[in-house]
Amino acid sequence: LAKTTQPISMDSYEGQEVNITCSHNNIATNDYITWYQQFPSQGPRFIIQGYKTKVTNEVASLFIPADRKSSTLSLPRVSLSDTAVYYCLVGSLSITDSWGKLQFGAGTQVVVTP
Amino acid sequence: NAGVTQTPKFRVLKTGQSMTLLCAQDMNHEYMYWYRQDPGMGLRLIHYSVGEGTTAKGEVPDGYNVSRLKKQNFLLGLESAAPSQTSVYFCASGAGAIETQYFGPGTRLLVL
Repeated sequence: LAKTTQPISMDSYEGQEVNITCSHNNIATNDYITWYQQFPSQGPRFIIQGYKTKVTNEVASLFIPADRKSSTLSLPRVSLSDTAVYYCLVGSLSITDSWGKLQFGAGTQVVVTP
Repeated sequence: NAGVTQTPKFRVLKTGQSMTLLCAQDMNHEYMYWYRQDPGMGLRLIHYSVGEGTTAKGEVPDGYNVSRLKKQNFLLGLESAAPSQTSVYFCASGAGAIETQYFGPGTRLLVL
């Protein structure tokens, strides 16, 4: 059963780097790791996805160690508009898989202040 | 492209009433999902579908039924609403098992 654990909240100042770590000790060989961002009264929005090592796109980086039992989302130079809840998602599904193969973390509330 | 749309945006039900939430996507995605989101609980998977005509149970399926008669639509039904089903419901779609999920704007449901 894939289970993800992430910090409940993190505070930061504008311009700083924010790193959020998600623990997923039972990750399976075929599982990918995906991070989503959610603003109040909106649906989650894709940020980044990775399988191993490091992935970088225009908004974030994702670091995954060799054992893949955790992953760290890095948001460089955050601004006030990055205040949101960030979710870690591990797993994938087929019709024969148990729902347990698709697990969202409980989310990390990031608050950015001036 | 509208992406993922959900109908209605908000609904108030009395205990025991029934209703259907509609999710529609115009991205030709195979996978569709229904989640509920409660304070402090994150997103929990209710049911999902990996293609037209298929459905499967998620983490919290009790009290809900789903249908995927058309590829673009995924319906979530509540046969007899209970106060415990007060929540925000999100629909999502994706091209495949590991592909990005695209979420709708959500439906707020209040069961009195």
